[in-house]
Amino acid sequence: NAGVTQTPKFRVLKTGQSMTLLCAQDMNHEYMYWYRQDPGMGLRLIHYSVGEGTTAKGEVPDGYNVSRLKKQNFLLGLESAAPSQTSVYFCASTHASNRNRGINQPQHFGDGTRLSIL
Amino acid sequence: GNSVTQMEGPVTLSEEAFLTINCTYTATGYPSLFWYVQYPGEGLQLLLKATKADDKGSNKGFEATYRKETTSFHLEKGSVQVSDSAVYFCALSLPVNQFYFGTGTSLTVIP
Repeated sequence: NAGVTQTPKFRVLKTGQSMTLLCAQDMNHEYMYWYRQDPGMGLRLIHYSVGEGTTAKGEVPDGYNVSRLKKQNFLLGLESAAPSQTSVYFCASTHASNRNRGINQPQHFGDGTRLSIL
Repeated sequence: GNSVTQMEGPVTLSEEAFLTINCTYTATGYPSLFWYVQYPGEGLQLLLKATKADDKGSNKGFEATYRKETTSFHLEKGSVQVSDSAVYFCALSLPVNQFYFGTGTSLTVIP
């Protein structure tokens, strides 16, 4: 069972470069999320999606864009990387139905992407 | 606002010691509460959850009880093992799509 797969696992960028992080899940989950994890700050939500073709801003969306063209994939883009975006990025997904709308459902996480911006 | 506060680490225990990691929360409404565990180089994995007051979540010897009166969800284990060494996160969720995580508590268990 692959679950949630993130690529790449590591990346080093120069300030101003752009890149896209890919998240893929094979659990047919409706909801998907992108977080960043920084020392002493826990996880902070960047963007999320409640279905194909829909996205919404989380707690720290500035400097990031996302797309959900297919249900199983959720892409996180950095258009112009900045050193403040050095972090570990986690993707997660959750099962949701019209009945529970994801309430009480745990999140399934990928193994993370470690991104360094020089 | 909504938030989760958990005890700061790192925590170092000897094998077979009793573990408590404190977690308190502030929430508008009625949250679901979770404990996640993160092993080195991996993502977070659900450890246990509780969805309403007085519920007790349990898994792999870990337990936590949803205490609405004290807004707490403390994690406990009676006898820790070296393999329990990891970072533990307390989290809450609220409708719809509101998730809040604590800052994590690092646990090291020494033989």
